[in-house]
Formats: sequence, structure tokens, C-alpha cells
Amino acid sequence: ELKVEQNPLFLSMQEGKNYTIYCNYSTTSDRLYWYRQDPGKSLESLFVLLSNGAVKQEGRLMASLDTKARLSTLHITAAVHDLSATYFCAVDGTNFGNEKLTFGTGTRLTIIP
Amino acid sequence: ETGVTQSPTHLIKTRGQQVTLRCSSQSGHNTVSWYQQALGQGPQFIFQYYREEENGRGNFPPRFSGLQFPNYSSELNVNALELDDSALYLCASSLGGGTGNTGELFFGEGSRLTVL
Repeated sequence: ELKVEQNPLFLSMQEGKNYTIYCNYSTTSDRLYWYRQDPGKSLESLFVLLSNGAVKQEGRLMASLDTKARLSTLHITAAVHDLSATYFCAVDGTNFGNEKLTFGTGTRLTIIP
Repeated sequence: ETGVTQSPTHLIKTRGQQVTLRCSSQSGHNTVSWYQQALGQGPQFIFQYYREEENGRGNFPPRFSGLQFPNYSSELNVNALELDDSALYLCASSLGGGTGNTGELFFGEGSRLTVL
């Protein structure tokens, strides 16, 4: 059974600081996705990583994938309050693009002014 | 382009009742997946429908069932509701078709079910 673990589960950081969220998964896959969820809201797609070494950047967020280590990171640069949300990574365990994702438990990020 | 829409947004039921949740997929998407998200948890895969057929199921009992219609909209039905069924139910649509696509899911706003 595929397991997806994120750490930390909770992260409180000051504006302007840098930090990294880690996502480990237990089976071979080169399809990993990052989503953002605001309280009471749905999931917003952030990044789609489809190969070993893939790196995507959007604004202050950068995601990378190391399929050999079964690890993805979401790096936050110079955090701002608007980035406060819960971030989920999700893995396609079938690796065939069957769009059946296993999600991590999420990292609740709070940016303090 | 119309995104994924779900209804109702909130509903309250009592134990033993039945509920139907509805989802309209994003234009051009032929695959609909349903996820259950309990409070403070990540979404869990319930099942997926592709071209009106169930195309994979997660670890959920048979009282969770679904349908997909020719226009690719979908329903999730839950019978004999239990307290633990209280959750946000998310519908996601996608292009389907396997390795040729990115596999990205696009989620609706969800239906929040409370079972008393």
C-alpha cells in the first residue's frame, strides 16, 4: 500500500523567511502533485512533477522531485502572509497517469507578520 | 471554460439516512474522481468513473456507490450513513486516457456532509 508522508505537519514562520516542506512516498512513482487548500475551500493545483529531477517554480514557491529518493520538496522563499494555507503532496502510485492519487496528511503553514 | 461544480455545498443528515452528491465536470474532461476529506486529513480516494464505468475504487465499503452520465457529470451515493461519514466530499475531473496526460486533477469546491 502506498504511503505518503509530509513533514512538518505544522509550520509557523515569520514573513521574509525561507523554509522547506518535505514529501516522502513509499513506492516507485515519477508522478507527483502539489496542491494548496485554504480553510473551508477546495484544492488548488500548484505543481505537476512528472520526471526525476523535475523542478517547477511559481512566484515564491519552488517544487522538486527526486524519484530515486522518493522525495519531493516544496521550498518557500521570503514567505508572505498570503502563502498561509495547507499544502498537500499527492502521488500517482500506478505511475500510469491513471489519476488515482494518494495524498499526504498535509502541512499547515502559518505565516506570521 | 466552466470549472468543476458540486452540489449541495452543505448538508446535514442523520445516521441511517441516504445522501446523493452531484458533480459537473470541467468542460472537455471525461473522468471524474471522488475523494473524502475528513477534518484535518488529506483527501482519500473513493472511486473514479471513466466513460460511465467505474474505473478503480479505494478502500470504501459498497454502501458508497456512484454513477457517471453521458455528459460526464457524476453522482456519489452513500447509504446507511454513519457518524464517521461526516467529511468534505470532493469531486475532481480530469482528461483521463493514461500516460499521454499529466494526470492533473481539478477539484470542485466540495460538499460538506454532517451526519448527526
